[in-house]
Amino acid sequence: SQTIHQWPATLVQPVGSPLSLECTVEGTSNPNLYWYRQAAGRGLQLLFYSVGIGQISSEVPQNLSASRPQDRQFILSSKKLLLSDSGFYLCAWSSSRGEKLFFGSGTQLSVL
Amino acid sequence: KQEVTQIPAALSVPEGENLVLNCSFTDSAIYNLQWFRQDPGKGLTSLLLIQSSQREQTSGRLNASLDKSSGRSTLYIAASQPGDSATYLCAVKNGGATNKLIFGTGTLLAVQP
Repeated sequence: SQTIHQWPATLVQPVGSPLSLECTVEGTSNPNLYWYRQAAGRGLQLLFYSVGIGQISSEVPQNLSASRPQDRQFILSSKKLLLSDSGFYLCAWSSSRGEKLFFGSGTQLSVL
Repeated sequence: KQEVTQIPAALSVPEGENLVLNCSFTDSAIYNLQWFRQDPGKGLTSLLLIQSSQREQTSGRLNASLDKSSGRSTLYIAASQPGDSATYLCAVKNGGATNKLIFGTGTLLAVQP
């Protein structure tokens, strides 16, 4: 069966510090991978998606970047965090056909 | 631009009641619609997926309906239990192979024992 791992679960970082969140998927190959952000009182916003190694599409201009160095690994990064980067970050995957979406357990990021 | 709205934002019911959660979307040209459950501080769990050609899907005590022409979906929960307490989100997919879902802001459900 397929599983998705996302870490860390919580993170407190000072403004201006770097960020690296990692997500890995097991039990499937060539998945579509996604990073979503859920800000307090708002719906989930798609940040990045990837249909293959090294292929990244950005949905909104922002202070973050994403990379996919391996087929089942998706990384969310920032060189310098802003206060507005605080939120709940969710990694997700779907098959290449793009039907059901399966989410990781999320990372609660607080930038202080 | 597709917009998804969920009403009510919060709902509290006594245990055993049947309840309906509502989801509306502005662009009826959707590919599918999904209902998710989110427990506090956790990721989302997919409950039901309805293809654009379908009218409803059922799983246990859950039934989701879709009226694409009117831009509406409902999630019906029968005989609610305290364990059903969570935030319920609906999301629509407009098309394409990637799962670029547009989410509503959710309904926070509390089932009182």
